[in-house]
Amino acid sequence: SQQGEEDPQALSIQEGENATMNCSYKTSINNLQWYRQNSGRGLVHLILIRSNEREKHSGRLRVTLDTSKKSSSLLITASRAADTASYFCAQRSGNTPLVFGKGTRLSVIA
Amino acid sequence: GAVVSQHPSWVICKSGTSVKIECRSLDFQATTMFWYRQFPKQSLMLMATSNEGSKATYEQGVEKDKFLINHASLTLSTLTVTSAHPEDSSFYICSANPGEETQYFGPGTRLLVL
Repeated sequence: SQQGEEDPQALSIQEGENATMNCSYKTSINNLQWYRQNSGRGLVHLILIRSNEREKHSGRLRVTLDTSKKSSSLLITASRAADTASYFCAQRSGNTPLVFGKGTRLSVIA
Repeated sequence: GAVVSQHPSWVICKSGTSVKIECRSLDFQATTMFWYRQFPKQSLMLMATSNEGSKATYEQGVEKDKFLINHASLTLSTLTVTSAHPEDSSFYICSANPGEETQYFGPGTRLLVL
């Protein structure tokens, strides 16, 4: 399976704290994408980082990519209760469809 | 961003019946759409790639005769779960790519087979 792994599987933090989620993958990639999924809902695209990029920011989100280690991290700063969701990384290689990791369930406690 | 819709959002059916799920790209054309399945607290698993005007490509372990895919136009793909059984109960999500790197997802269809 080419499926990646997220770490941790579950994370619980207080509102205002930062949340860091990690993702590892197995094959060479064109880009890596992070998605959020609220319980029972569809996926919302958060950020895309290409294989030649090392870091990207979007609002309170910061994504890093280390292709030598085949890993990526998603940092959410100053978390809010509304950030409670599952977060998935997904990799794209060539023209293949996205392959998703197992996800991290984030709980932000107010 | 691009918008992908799914219909219905949820469906309950009796075992043995067939269920059709529609996936539409609302503001772009998609020659390729993807169907994923997600069981509770698990990740999305790709079921098949739907190709406009040609046969779908199924992932290993997915029965093509059970999960019929029809991509009849550039904005519509349908997934029909034939002779559904309780183990087919799941969350089905489609996605499409409007020629960009980003893949856009529908809101999902929750299927419950009694």
